[in-house]
Amino acid sequence: ELKVEQNPLFLSMQEGKNYTIYCNYSTTSDRLYWYRQDPGKSLESLFVLLSNGAVKQEGRLMASLDTKARLSTLHITAAVHDLSATYFCAVDGVIDSNYQLIWGAGTKLIIKP
Amino acid sequence: DTEVTQTPKHLVMGMTNKKSLKCEQHMGHRAMYWYKQKAKKPPELMFVYSYEKLSINESVPSRFSPECPNSSLLNLHLHALQPEDSALYLCASSQEGGLQTYFGPGTRLTVT
Repeated sequence: ELKVEQNPLFLSMQEGKNYTIYCNYSTTSDRLYWYRQDPGKSLESLFVLLSNGAVKQEGRLMASLDTKARLSTLHITAAVHDLSATYFCAVDGVIDSNYQLIWGAGTKLIIKP
Repeated sequence: DTEVTQTPKHLVMGMTNKKSLKCEQHMGHRAMYWYKQKAKKPPELMFVYSYEKLSINESVPSRFSPECPNSSLLNLHLHALQPEDSALYLCASSQEGGLQTYFGPGTRLTVT
């Protein structure tokens, strides 16, 4: 079964702190995606990680991929309130010869001033 | 242009109504998707069109009927919906085989 597990599912933190969201997956996919979703809004692509050891950074967010461990992390550095959102990871999956994204449950991040 | 557009943004419909959601992309993507997303949940795949042919239908009730008139357009026809169908409906597109999936802004559907 193709599964993607995120943890934690909910995270409340203070501004200025660091934290990491974890994404474990069961497929052999080498491609992993991180999306951000604000309440009532659509999904915004944050990172596309294409190979083992890939690391990408954008502002206070850094994502990495370890395909051997089937693990991706999204690290938040010195969090600010504007980063409050729900973060989803997803991996490529092939089901019945059809490509589709397999999604994690999402991590709701609340950053308090 | 990395944009997927959707109309309408909001839709309220009764259980006996017929309505359509529309989606458009001009990125040359040959795969287009409809997703349904309930609050606090990840998106659920409903339909996939690949080269304008329906390739995935995730056991969606027949009251949802997709249509792909051409490579840039995707419609979702709605008929006799139930209140539990109220959700955010997202259209997306990608190159064949994925790599980067782009999502539209969504249609917030309420069924009364």
